[in-house]
Amino acid sequence: AQSVSQHNHHVILSEAASLELGCNYSYGGTVNLFWYVQYPGQHLQLLLKYFSGDPLVKGIKGFEAEFIKSKFSFNLRKPSVQWSDTAEYFCAARTGILTGGGNKLTFGTGTQLKVEL
Amino acid sequence: DGGITQSPKYLFRKEGQNVTLSCEQNLNHDAMYWYRQDPGQGLRLIYYSQIVNDFQKGDIAEGYSVSREKKESFPLTVTSAQKNPTAFYLCASSGRVGLAYEQYFGPGTRLTVT
Repeated sequence: AQSVSQHNHHVILSEAASLELGCNYSYGGTVNLFWYVQYPGQHLQLLLKYFSGDPLVKGIKGFEAEFIKSKFSFNLRKPSVQWSDTAEYFCAARTGILTGGGNKLTFGTGTQLKVEL
Repeated sequence: DGGITQSPKYLFRKEGQNVTLSCEQNLNHDAMYWYRQDPGQGLRLIYYSQIVNDFQKGDIAEGYSVSREKKESFPLTVTSAQKNPTAFYLCASSGRVGLAYEQYFGPGTRLTVT
């Protein structure tokens, strides 16, 4: 079955620490991968995405992720976190294409990140 | 101001009652989706619709129903048959960005059934 796994459910870091959140997928087709973020009280929003090309993708707010095909991984990184990065982070994989347009996504279980001052 | 609206933000119902959650988008997107978010379980797809008058079951459709009579609207009904209806419900639509599609999410409705 197609699935997305996030290994860290809760992460607590101090400001300026480096961040890496793990994401693994199991899907045999063409891979499109996403990281979404949900700040407290806000909409789920797209951080970054990988469709093809350079496996190192950069997103908003200094986040980046690396697609490693051999490891079926798409880990999210940030060199120095800020208190404002406190949020829940979701990895997702496209597991279907809708004929009328759009993607069917499978999400991981999410990682709660808390950044302490 | 383009986007997806969901109403209400909080909804309370008694067990045994059906309840309908609203989702409207003015992004001119064809595809719309309903997800359920539970702590520690991520987002799970309930139903999706590719076009008006068409919809398909997602991974956890039991106890839910939808309609798609207008492009802008995709309401979700949580029926009394849904065994664990208390959850956070997210509506999304998808549009083309470059060569691919991205999903955009509404603010969600938190449903509590007692």
